[in-house]
Amino acid sequence: QVQLVQSGAEVKKPGASVKVSCKASGYTFTSYDINWVRQATGQGLEWMGWMNPNSGNTGYAQKFQGRVTMTRNTSISTAYMELSSLRSEDTAVYYCARGREADYWGQGTLVTVSS
Amino acid sequence: QPVLTQPTSLSASPGASARFTCTLRSGINVGTYRIYWYQQKPGSLPRYLLRYKSDSDKQQGSGVPSRFSGSKDASTNAGLLLISGLQSEDEADYYCAIWYSSTLVFGGGTKLTVL
Repeated sequence: QVQLVQSGAEVKKPGASVKVSCKASGYTFTSYDINWVRQATGQGLEWMGWMNPNSGNTGYAQKFQGRVTMTRNTSISTAYMELSSLRSEDTAVYYCARGREADYWGQGTLVTVSS
Repeated sequence: QPVLTQPTSLSASPGASARFTCTLRSGINVGTYRIYWYQQKPGSLPRYLLRYKSDSDKQQGSGVPSRFSGSKDASTNAGLLLISGLQSEDEADYYCAIWYSSTLVFGGGTKLTVL
């Protein structure tokens, strides 16, 4: 069965960076894009960008341009999302999701930014 | 004006039907787009329900019951999610999304109360 398993919760100070991983199993990792979506407490879903695991090509939401980097390691079927220059407003649950349909989601990673 | 607009809330009775709207901004033609729908229960990750562009271009999410269906209303430029035979377990937030200008845009979500 398709599974996306994300890394654990993180607590970061303002100005720091965070790197969240998303390990895929149950399908061919390079056959589907990976999207990253975040959700602040009590808020809606916010798309951050996508990555093609086969080519490494990426596309980022304008809001995150210059602060987000999406990468992958195909040998371990894992995608990564790194967000830099963290601020309190970045406190949220970060999800990875598979493909243009975002049909399978990781369990989410809570990132807390606090001094 | 947002790309996608959803009503904040919707109430319906058990056994009845619920009709969710996702209105595209003026100038963005609903007929052109695949509309994606997601369900998110409190404390859970989003679940992909279905994709709908037309009766010949639609997809049900894995394990999603047939009482969830998609449609469009061209007269109001809206994508629709229809749930028949409402159950208490359907109480959740429902989000629509489209790929617009190479970005995945989510609506603000509609909270369904089954009472």
